[in-house]
Amino acid sequence: DGGITQSPKYLFRKEGQNVTLSCEQNLNHDAMYWYRQDPGQGLRLIYYSQIVNDFQKGDIAEGYSVSREKKESFPLTVTSAQKNPTAFYLCASSDRDRNNQPQHFGDGTRLSIL
Amino acid sequence: GENVEQHPSTLSVQEGDSAVIKCTYSDSASNYFPWYKQELGKGPQLIIDIRSNVGEKKDQRIAVTLNKTAKHFSLHITETQPEDSAVYFCAAWDTGRRALTFGSGTRLQVQP
Repeated sequence: DGGITQSPKYLFRKEGQNVTLSCEQNLNHDAMYWYRQDPGQGLRLIYYSQIVNDFQKGDIAEGYSVSREKKESFPLTVTSAQKNPTAFYLCASSDRDRNNQPQHFGDGTRLSIL
Repeated sequence: GENVEQHPSTLSVQEGDSAVIKCTYSDSASNYFPWYKQELGKGPQLIIDIRSNVGEKKDQRIAVTLNKTAKHFSLHITETQPEDSAVYFCAAWDTGRRALTFGSGTRLQVQP
C-alpha cells in the first residue's frame, strides 16, 4: 500500500539530547512537510521541502533541523536547542507538480521529555 | 502569509442533527481549501476539498461551501453519527510558500 510511514510512534528525549524522527513515503511525491501539534491546537509548520536537496523554514523552525537527501525520506531532528519539544509531530507529502494537491499525512510521532 | 481562523473550537450535537464548522482566510490569492478529520492518536485524513472555481461541493453527508468574496468557507455534516466524532481542521493553500496553513481545529462530539 502507498503511504507515509513515521517512526517511532513514541519517543523520549533526555535533556541535552538530539533526537531524529523518521518520515518515509512511497507515493512518489516531491513535496514533504513537518508539522508540530500541541494539545488542543492546530498544526504548525516546522520545515518543508519541495524537491530533493532543498528545504525551507516554516513558522517554528528554531530548534529543529531537516535533510532531504532522497525523494522518499525527510527526517526531522529535534535539537537540544528546542526547549519545549513535547508534542505530536506529523509528516505529510504532496505532489508538487500539480498545484494545490492534498497533503497526505502519516500517523505521527509523540515526543516526550524524560 | 496566510492566516486561517476556525470556529467553533468545540461542537456538540445530537445524533442525526447537522453540524457546521466555519473558517475564514486572509490571503485572497488562496485557491485550495481542504478539510481534514483527525481521530485520537492518528494523523489527519482528508475528507473533502474545494477549489476556488467552485462554490460548493458535496460528498454524501459532507458538503463544503466557499465564498471567495467574503474569504470564508464552511464544512457541513448532515445526519451526524457517533463515528463522526473527531477533531476537524480546515486549511488554505498559501500560494507564496506552497504549503497549507491550518485552522486551530474543531472538536466535534456527536451524542448518541
